[in-house]
Amino acid sequence: DAGVIQSPRHEVTEMGQEVTLRCKPISGHNSLFWYRQTMMRGLELLIYFNNNVPIDDSGMPEDRFSAKMPNASFSTLKIQPSEPRDSAVYFCASSHSNPGFQFFGPGTRLTVL
Amino acid sequence: TQLLEQSPQFLSIQEGENLTVYCNSSSVFSSLQWYRQEPGEGPVLLVTVVTGGEVKKLKRLTFQFGDARKDSSLHITAAQPGDTGLYLCAGASSSGSARQLTFGSGTQLTVLP
Repeated sequence: DAGVIQSPRHEVTEMGQEVTLRCKPISGHNSLFWYRQTMMRGLELLIYFNNNVPIDDSGMPEDRFSAKMPNASFSTLKIQPSEPRDSAVYFCASSHSNPGFQFFGPGTRLTVL
Repeated sequence: TQLLEQSPQFLSIQEGENLTVYCNSSSVFSSLQWYRQEPGEGPVLLVTVVTGGEVKKLKRLTFQFGDARKDSSLHITAAQPGDTGLYLCAGASSSGSARQLTFGSGTQLTVLP
């Protein structure tokens, strides 16, 4: 079975540009999570969806960040405009309704110059 | 805000040695999970502990959940280079955002041959 799929795997962009990260959760999972991982702050939850509905976006750092889940098999995380401090690895994870058993994607390494 | 503190932050040992990683919080969790993350990949779930005092074994890895469900430990016996990675604990809360995990800061383990 395919795991969580993320694209792109690497993204290098310049400050001020729009960045869109994509995620395809595991089929049948009804919860989807976006995380950001940095050396300084570790793994931080940005937002999560349940049945395509955003449940908790308190981790989204600022209005420059937005996330959507138009259907059960696709989600996007958008940063507009991007800043150098947004450089990090962004992970998408999915799970069934029970808390935990989250399956992580391989991540997108974002570098904003 | 629930916080999980892991110790040590970094650990470098020789192959064959034993080690213990700790995960502590002032909050009670309904369950606690341990993940291992290798470079360039997302975290992978190792185990979930649910009951206070619970002990689970996964080959040379022993996981314990504290009686009060506020802390956990991971013990590795006769470590091998393949155990090298970032170990993350994550607590699930049964209240509020029930599907949300709080991740610890991680323990970077290096096992030298």
